[in-house]
Amino acid sequence: GAVVSQHPSRVICKSGTSVKIECRSLDFQATTMFWYRQFPKKSLMLMATSNEGSKATYEQGVEKDKFLINHASLTLSTLTVTSAHPEDSSFYICSVTSGVGQPQHFGDGTRLSIL
Amino acid sequence: GEDVEQSLFLSVREGDSSVINCTYTDSSSTYLYWYKQEPGAGLQLLTYIFSNMDMKQDQRLTVLLNKKDKHLSLRIADTQTGDSAIYFCAETTGVDSSYKLIFGSGTRLLVRP
Repeated sequence: GAVVSQHPSRVICKSGTSVKIECRSLDFQATTMFWYRQFPKKSLMLMATSNEGSKATYEQGVEKDKFLINHASLTLSTLTVTSAHPEDSSFYICSVTSGVGQPQHFGDGTRLSIL
Repeated sequence: GEDVEQSLFLSVREGDSSVINCTYTDSSSTYLYWYKQEPGAGLQLLTYIFSNMDMKQDQRLTVLLNKKDKHLSLRIADTQTGDSAIYFCAETTGVDSSYKLIFGSGTRLLVRP
């Protein structure tokens, strides 16, 4: 069965809107979750590491004020794209891991389209 | 820096074996993974191997690791049309608290009937 639940699967909204994406770990408590972005026909780009109970760690070049991450519980992390613009349109995927040496399990992704 | 490379495209006939190759540069890699991505979907973990292993087999999947050459391969036996997808190789050193994955660019596998 699914290890990770990611919602919504698809969002279409107007420029300037803020969009929240949820990532839930279904099988285990996840102190660490990851958020990725994938451009068409490209590999995954790590945006940030979400840490339960503390601030997220952002990769170089990723605006933390633009992409707000909240990891308030051991099973839920959220990514909010604030004041989204067409260039934020992309496929966003989260992943969870149960710990050291364990593989990351990915959500089904969220396709975000900003008009 | 760390780098993972894969060939971009592979086409095979249904029933044949597929071999997808991956090379990496980080000699401290401890875990290496193969993920499958179908169109519009997330990544599905297929298999993974620890760096002290040479081979791992799981049903139709065989992973070979040549640590000296930093080469990883995924063999799919009796390839089916449902195996058509993008396959990503990824590695992690697992030494920092974030356990970040470094992904290859993905290999698009096309299985012809």
